[in-house]
Amino acid sequence: QLQLRESGPGLVKPSETLSLTCTVSGGSISSSSYYWGWIRQPPGKGLEWIGTIYYSGSTYYSPSLKSRVTISIDTSKNQFSLKLSSVTAADTAVYYCARERRGYTYDFDYWGQGTLLTVSS
Amino acid sequence: QSVLTQPPSVSGAPGQRVTISCTGSSSNIGAGYDVHWYQQLPGTAPKLLIYTNNNRPSGVPDRFSGSKSGTSASLAVTGLQAEDEADYYCQSYDSSLSGSVFGGGTKLTVL
Repeated sequence: QLQLRESGPGLVKPSETLSLTCTVSGGSISSSSYYWGWIRQPPGKGLEWIGTIYYSGSTYYSPSLKSRVTISIDTSKNQFSLKLSSVTAADTAVYYCARERRGYTYDFDYWGQGTLLTVSS
Repeated sequence: QSVLTQPPSVSGAPGQRVTISCTGSSSNIGAGYDVHWYQQLPGTAPKLLIYTNNNRPSGVPDRFSGSKSGTSASLAVTGLQAEDEADYYCQSYDSSLSGSVFGGGTKLTVL
């Protein structure tokens, strides 16, 4: 069974860079059939797609976050990562990693349990 | 403001049928992109409930069904049960954004 798990610091200061990692188990991140995405959910609010990466390194970012986001992949560790720069309180959210069936159904069929990231001094 | 529009809340008594709408535009649902639905129980991650408009992943009860027409889609829940109380989100692909868009979410309350 595929499993995804997010990991990160939990607390980041304003203006700093947020870094999160998603570790995939039970399947290969190098599969040519799937992409890997980040989605976030501010407290009490809805879901927002942040970006997606393919095993080859191709990336797709939300236009609203593109200037601050970098998503990378490490196939040797079966991990992919998110960096979000110049964070503010508005970036406080639960961050989820998920498997995306881009080019096929464009849905997210497996999700991590999420990690809460708080931006505060 | 979400790209896809959903009602903030719906409710129904046990055993009843409820529907949740999801309205998009010509760059997403209206462009022919599929609609997917997620169920988020309190304190948990979203779970794929319906994919490609009307398909249920293994393990999802057939009480849940989806449909799509034009620039809109709907999720129907029949035979409401207390365990269906959750937030529901629609999602599609948007060609102008080259990425996924979500609805704002609908809270389903079982009375």
